[in-house]
Amino acid sequence: DADVTQTPRNRITKTGKRIMLECSQTKGHDRMYWYRQDPGLGLRLIYYSFDVKDINKGEISDGYSVSRQAQAKFSLSLESAIPNQTALYFCATSAGQVNSPLHFGNGTRLTVT
Amino acid sequence: GESVGLHLPTLSVQEGDNSIINCAYSNSASDYFIWYKQESGKGPQFIIDIRSNMDKRQGQRVTVLLNKTVKHLSLQIAATQPGDSAVYFCAETRRGGADGLTFGKGTHLIIQP
Repeated sequence: DADVTQTPRNRITKTGKRIMLECSQTKGHDRMYWYRQDPGLGLRLIYYSFDVKDINKGEISDGYSVSRQAQAKFSLSLESAIPNQTALYFCATSAGQVNSPLHFGNGTRLTVT
Repeated sequence: GESVGLHLPTLSVQEGDNSIINCAYSNSASDYFIWYKQESGKGPQFIIDIRSNMDKRQGQRVTVLLNKTVKHLSLQIAATQPGDSAVYFCAETRRGGADGLTFGKGTHLIIQP
């Protein structure tokens, strides 16, 4: 979905490095989410935000942090990357109304060596 | 913990046939369900959703059926086309989606010519 843009699309980094994944959206949605996808495990929620001053932990937040700089921007950071954080990362947005589906970006493929 | 799962990891169908992808969920408090399609290199794309007060909903060539008695969700795709090849995920949420979605592990739909 071109309305949700993730950068970079691919990244290779080394163990111990700090890395930031960026997400921006033009959908005007209040809610933003970061998910991680691993083969055989589906998508798991890392963090989510309902507005600029709101940050909530998801199922697997350890080792990650987020920043909601503006309504349209939500970044995910790995303070000290480790190999088991190698995965496909997706940003998603939601209108915030009851029963609103999530709209996903095309993902960032992160490899930690 | 409670989770959403799928009965089959891979489904192979002939082009033109109907496809049925199944999903079992275990949380009786789930009130909103969504099917997503994920093509290679892309993020999950919304297909169709259904609220817990419904048992059937139809879209263009797709139908979702919800059986709350046995906690089962299915996606039916009519007249399957090559472009339907993808991984399909079911997702569930409670409280209208306030905390994000919980995803199943996915079914890979393969279309045979």
